[in-house]
Amino acid sequence: DTGVSQDPRHKITKRGQNVTFRCDPISEHNRLYWYRQTLGQGPEFLTYFQNEAQLEKSRLLSDRFSAERPKGSFSTLEIQRTEQGDSAMYLCASTPGSAPTYEQYFGPGTRLTVT
Amino acid sequence: TQLLEQSPQFLSIQEGENLTVYCNSSSVFSSLQWYRQEPGEGPVLLVTVVTGGEVKKLKRLTFQFGDARKDSSLHITAAQPGDTGLYLCAGATYGGSQGNLIFGKGTKLSVKP
Repeated sequence: DTGVSQDPRHKITKRGQNVTFRCDPISEHNRLYWYRQTLGQGPEFLTYFQNEAQLEKSRLLSDRFSAERPKGSFSTLEIQRTEQGDSAMYLCASTPGSAPTYEQYFGPGTRLTVT
Repeated sequence: TQLLEQSPQFLSIQEGENLTVYCNSSSVFSSLQWYRQEPGEGPVLLVTVVTGGEVKKLKRLTFQFGDARKDSSLHITAAQPGDTGLYLCAGATYGGSQGNLIFGKGTKLSVKP
């Protein structure tokens, strides 16, 4: 049983550097979501893909953030010129397109620390 | 702004006790999910409730969706140390975004042996 996987699990970077995270969704799940979770908070929606199309972006997704899902399978989230406020857990989730109940299956997350 | 308020924020109990966690909103949700999250891991889906008034049971866990689909509760009977974790409720709304979930801040449960 292959769930959602994310890589890397942990990333420590210096302020101003660029970082890229990868998410591999559950096979045949055509919807993929990115969330951000900071300490003491629940996950907050960042962006969402239906196959390769990025259909929605949250206002939390500043110009320094970009996400892609080039072939409708895995997705990448890049943060340029990282800031200390970007330190958080970045979560990826996937769901079958036909799920009316919007059940989402999450990966283990990538913990980003910006020093 | 749609918000999900969870209470209590923290709960520390002894093994064998019962507890209830609440999730409230002024918004109507088409469905509501409960997740449990361990430190350093992603949330794991426990249950989805869809119909107002719906009750679902998962072993010692009982989930209820309010009649108006604005609130939900999670009741744990005879809590065990393995129940320790962060319990998150998340709602999906009618229309609007295609299923991106709105999460509460969570209830951090600690069950001591």
